[in-house]
Order: sequence, then structure tokens, then C-alpha cells
Amino acid sequence: NAGVTQTPKFQVLKTGQSMTLQCAQDMNHNSMYWYRQDPGMGLRLIYYSASEGTTDKGEVPNGYNVSRLNKREFSLRLESAAPSQTSVYFCASIHPRGRPVGDNYGYTFGSGTRLTVV
Amino acid sequence: GEDVEQSLFLSVREGDSSVINCTYTDSSSTYLYWYKQEPGAGLQLLTYIFSNMDMKQDQRLTVLLNKKDKHLSLRIADTQTGDSAIYFCAEKARSGGSYIPTFGRGTSLIVHP
Repeated sequence: NAGVTQTPKFQVLKTGQSMTLQCAQDMNHNSMYWYRQDPGMGLRLIYYSASEGTTDKGEVPNGYNVSRLNKREFSLRLESAAPSQTSVYFCASIHPRGRPVGDNYGYTFGSGTRLTVV
Repeated sequence: GEDVEQSLFLSVREGDSSVINCTYTDSSSTYLYWYKQEPGAGLQLLTYIFSNMDMKQDQRLTVLLNKKDKHLSLRIADTQTGDSAIYFCAEKARSGGSYIPTFGRGTSLIVHP
């Protein structure tokens, strides 16, 4: 099925450990995004990639790095996890023209990665 | 950055209509979206409206856009318990050559039997 796939779905880390959250989309989208969702805070943009080969900081980039490996894949890395990074992480992508086209419109989200840092 | 504001909670009785409101600040937004998030799940696109439209209807959903006041609303007719979820308003703002989506904090809709 076409869509955005995130792995893993759940993860528990100890403070100081590192890990990479994976995201892949098969819709030929140019733009990809990483968000974190915390209670009462809504969705906050961590990093985004407007197209293959480019990445930019969002609202809350500190403590994270990203890699746009190819057009399909956009990974998020925590080099030294902290309890403040306990959150639900969502990856999203959007059509190249950035507007609804047929059924492929809006931002498509993955199902999320629930990360706990202890 | 640009802000999208929405109330945090709405409680209605089953069968009533629900109206979720949103205000945004970026006048260059070309598309505005409503997303639904059920517990433990990701965000699903419910509907969208183009900025040159005033209203869009899709079955039980009606979206109203007042571009002058930068106000967006989502009306759910005949609200059912299955409509209980968090609803996010979002705008697509342009930043240079990129599209940056901005989301509100979400409105938790609680439907009582």
C-alpha cells in the first residue's frame, strides 16, 4: 500500500544512547518532514527536507540530526538521547507540487514512533 | 513563525453538530487542512479547502473559510461516538521554495452517548 512507513513503532532508550528513526515513502513525494508530538503542544516541526539533497531546521532541531538518504528515505537521528526527547515522532511527506492532485493530496503521515528515554 | 490557534476541548452529545474553530495568521496560505487523530494513531487527512473557496461540503463535514478574518471551521453533522478524536487544523505556508506545514495544537472532541 502506498504511504509513509516509520520504524520502529516503539523504542525505549537510556539517557545518552543513540538511535535512528527511519522513514520511507513510496508516493514519489519531494518534501518530507519530521515532527514530534507532546501532550498539549500539538505537532512541532523538527527538520524538513524540501527535496532530495536538502535539509533545513524546523522549530525544535536541537538534539537531532537528519539525513535525506534518497528521494524515498528521510531519517532522524538522536546522537545522545535525553529524557526531554521522550515523545511521539511522526514523519510526513507531501506531493511535489505541494497541492492536492487527485487522491494524493495534503500531507501524508506515518503511524508514528513512540520513544521513551529513561 | 506563523501561528495556528484552536481551542483545546469540545464536548458534544451524540447526534448533535460539532463545530471546531481555528484561526491562522499567514495570509499567503493557499490550502488549509483538517486532520483527525484517533488514540494511538497517526494523523489522517479529513478534508482540505483551497483559499479561494468559502465553503466545502463532504458528507457530514462542512468546512467554512473566512479569509478576511483568517478563520476556519469544521462542522460535523450528526456527531457519532466514533468521531471522538483530536482534530488538527493546518495551513500550508510557503517559506522560500519550500512548503512548511503549520499545525494547531489540536482540539479534543469528546462525544457523549
